[in-house]
Amino acid sequence: SQQGEEDPQALSIQEGENATMNCSYKTSINNLQWYRQNSGRGLVHLILIRSNEREKHSGRLRVTLDTSKKSSSLLITASRAADTASYFCAARGDDKIIFGKGTRLHILP
Amino acid sequence: EPEVTQTPSHQVTQMGQEVILRCVPISNHLYFYWYRQILGQKVEFLVSFYNNEISEKSEIFDDQFSVERPDGSNFTLKIRSTKLEDSAMYFCASWGRGPGYTFGSGTRLTVV
Repeated sequence: SQQGEEDPQALSIQEGENATMNCSYKTSINNLQWYRQNSGRGLVHLILIRSNEREKHSGRLRVTLDTSKKSSSLLITASRAADTASYFCAARGDDKIIFGKGTRLHILP
Repeated sequence: EPEVTQTPSHQVTQMGQEVILRCVPISNHLYFYWYRQILGQKVEFLVSFYNNEISEKSEIFDDQFSVERPDGSNFTLKIRSTKLEDSAMYFCASWGRGPGYTFGSGTRLTVV
């Protein structure tokens, strides 16, 4: 499967610091997506990077993709308390996305 | 902003009972999905649905599961005879060739 696997599993940082989460996947993909999930809530799409792209920005988010290493990273700059959530990468091969286990991000005041 | 709506938000059912989880996808989307998330675990793919038929399903989606789009708006997931291990959050998603999928808020299914 094109399952994504994130690391670290959990990350605690001070407000204002940058948070970096990594993801690896197993097979070829069309694109890789990052989602956010607040506790007990649904998944919210954050950003998509296509297989022919290497880096993408959206606001405080920066995503990189290295298809040779089958890995991606999500950087959240200048973190805020409201960024506390779980973050999942999701690899899209054919017509479905496969999620990784997620990184639980906790922003400390 | 268009939303995917799921009902009910929480359902408790006796083991062995049938449940139907309901979803109203975004109206102009053509691809529909069900995922589930057992508490504290990852989000697992169940089934994808396009052009009124299942396009792909996972090993989890066995004969106890079925999906239906009975009219132009609803998309349902039926579990015929629930087991304790079916307890999870069930998420519906739709996709209209945009940048990402739109997920509903989920139905928390508790089988007792």
